[in-house]
Amino acid sequence: DAGVTQSPTHLIKTRGQQVTLRCSPKSGHDTVSWYQQALGQGPQFIFQYYEEEERQRGNFPDRFSGHQFPNYSSELNVNALLLGDSALYLCASSLGVGQETQYFGPGTRLLVL
Amino acid sequence: AQTVTQSQPEMSVQEAETVTLSCTYDTSENNYYLFWYKQPPSRQMILVIRQEAYKQQNATENRFSVNFQKAAKSFSLKISDSQLGDTAMYFCAFHNPNTDKLIFGTGTRLQVFP
Repeated sequence: DAGVTQSPTHLIKTRGQQVTLRCSPKSGHDTVSWYQQALGQGPQFIFQYYEEEERQRGNFPDRFSGHQFPNYSSELNVNALLLGDSALYLCASSLGVGQETQYFGPGTRLLVL
Repeated sequence: AQTVTQSQPEMSVQEAETVTLSCTYDTSENNYYLFWYKQPPSRQMILVIRQEAYKQQNATENRFSVNFQKAAKSFSLKISDSQLGDTAMYFCAFHNPNTDKLIFGTGTRLQVFP
């Protein structure tokens, strides 16, 4: 039973660049949520995708956008990178919305120089 | 808005002993879920235990158990027979099924000593 996978594991970018992170949900799951975890902090909710639509969004600027594909995998895009975007980006998957436990992937560590 | 507070930044325990991690939360909702997740140095966020607010019985998973006090909005995690592999950051999280987003505390770093 494949768990949640994310790619790449590490990424280094410079200010102003754009980045795309990828997530494949756990087998049988159809909902993907993205979180940003700054160093020494708890994860912060970015947004959630279900049925290829953004269902919920946290307090993140429009520079953060996403997409969900028909196979339920998802991408997180960040434009015009800032130094403050350096963080661990976690993807979590679940079945449906509302009631189910979210299972996390190993994360992508993004460093913006 | 919901908030989650973990007042213990760091804890330590000797192997085979018992340790309790504290968590309080604030919400006006009546239906919600609470979780403890573990994040070892490998960074993977691992589910430890889940509690449904409508259930009065405290959840248990092997050596892990919770003390859920709904009126006090308290949700502590007890780890019995601590093992070296329990060394990790532990995050308490609140889940509102209406928004389906997790709200995390700032975490407690647990060190288990031999």
